[in-house]
Amino acid sequence: SQQGEEDPQALSIQEGENATMNCSYKTSINNLQWYRQNSGRGLVHLILIRSNEREKHSGRLRVTLDTSKKSSSLLITASRAADTASYFCATDRGSTLGRLYFGRGTQLTVWP
Amino acid sequence: SQTIHQWPATLVQPVGSPLSLECTVEGTSNPNLYWYRQAAGRGLQLLFYSVGIGQISSEVPQNLSASRPQDRQFILSSKKLLLSDSGFYLCAWTPEGTGAMGEQFFGPGTRLTVL
Repeated sequence: SQQGEEDPQALSIQEGENATMNCSYKTSINNLQWYRQNSGRGLVHLILIRSNEREKHSGRLRVTLDTSKKSSSLLITASRAADTASYFCATDRGSTLGRLYFGRGTQLTVWP
Repeated sequence: SQTIHQWPATLVQPVGSPLSLECTVEGTSNPNLYWYRQAAGRGLQLLFYSVGIGQISSEVPQNLSASRPQDRQFILSSKKLLLSDSGFYLCAWTPEGTGAMGEQFFGPGTRLTVL
C-alpha cells in the first residue's frame, strides 16, 4: 500500500514561479526522501531529511518536515521548464533495512 | 564510480509466458538491492529486497519471484505472466550498511507490457 500521499496530484505553473508539493504519511519514520522522475525514466534522489530535522535546503530546493503532523513539503523556487517531472516522497516506515515506501507523486509541469 | 544496469529496456510478452528481468550493479560490493513496480500514473510499489546473496524478502504476495544468484545481480522472474503484471519495473541499490540512512540509486527501468 502507498505510504505517502502527495498533493496536489498535478501542478502546472509558469517559469519563474515557485512550486510547492506536499506529502503526508501515516507511520513513524527515520527519514523522508524526495525523488524526481522524468517521464519513462528511473528516479533520481533530490534530498533526504531526517526525522529530527525540520528544514533542509539544496540549491533551489527547500524541504520541511513536521513529524507531529506527519507531513512534508517540497518547495522549488524560481522554477524552470527543465523542472517538469513527477516528484515523489518516500519514507522508511521506521525500518532500518533501507526499504522505501513511495507516494503516488505530483506531476509538475512548468511552462516556458 | 557505481552504475546500475537493467535489461531489457522494453519487453512485450503474451499472457502466460515466462519473465526474466535482470539488474546488475557495478563498482560496489554486497549492495542492498530492491525491485519496484510502477503502474501507469502511480507511485512505486516495493516488490522484493535483498541484503545478500540468496537472501530475498518479499513485500507483497504476487505472481512474481526474485533471486540473487551473485553479489551484484538481482533477477525478477515469473513462470506465467498476467495482464496485471504490466508496468514499469525499477531496480535500485543502496550501499551495504546504509540501511534507512541513505538514498537509493535507481536503474533506468524496464517497461513490461503483457498482452
